[in-house]
Amino acid sequence: HVQLVQSGAEVKKSGASVKVSCKASGYIFTNYYMHWVRQAPGQGLEWMGIINPSGGSTNYAQKFQGRVTMTRDTSTTTVYMELSSLRSEDTAVYYCARGDGIVADYWGQGTLVTVSS
Amino acid sequence: EIVLTQSPGTLSLSPGERATLSCRASQSVISRYLAWHQQKPGQAPRLLIYGASSRPTDIPDRFSGSGSGTDFTLTISRLEPEDFAVYYCHQYGSSPYNFGQGTKLEIK
Repeated sequence: HVQLVQSGAEVKKSGASVKVSCKASGYIFTNYYMHWVRQAPGQGLEWMGIINPSGGSTNYAQKFQGRVTMTRDTSTTTVYMELSSLRSEDTAVYYCARGDGIVADYWGQGTLVTVSS
Repeated sequence: EIVLTQSPGTLSLSPGERATLSCRASQSVISRYLAWHQQKPGQAPRLLIYGASSRPTDIPDRFSGSGSGTDFTLTISRLEPEDFAVYYCHQYGSSPYNFGQGTKLEIK
């Protein structure tokens, strides 16, 4: 069965970077996209971007352009999301979600990133 | 970019009642590429509806979706206690693939 297992919670200082991983299993890794979505405390879902694990191409939301980098490692079926220049507003739960022809059909459990000053 | 507006913000109903949730897009959604996700407190979202009206095999048939263009609806025919949650619409027809702000379905 499809599983997306994310890395553990992180606490970072303002200005630092964080790299969150999402290990996929139970399906052919390169046949599906991967979204990254975040949710600030008590808020809604915010789409950050998408990566095609087959060739590594990416498409980022304009809000995160220049600060976010999504990569993948096909040998370990893992995708990564790195966010730099962290500020307090980046405190959120970060989710990966598999894209079946783009629709997000399976979600990871989420990774809490806390940014402190 | 397409902006999705959900209404109402909060819906108060009782188990057994019918729920109707709305999602309006600022521009037409390509090919009915509109999904609905359910999120319970402390949990990741879960896909309920895709392609505006298709349901994954593990989703109960009391959940149904309809609509096209700019107006979409999620209907829950008879509310069960486990259906009280937050619901998000999500368009995936054109980037950026934005979400609506959510509708909270609460027990009356």
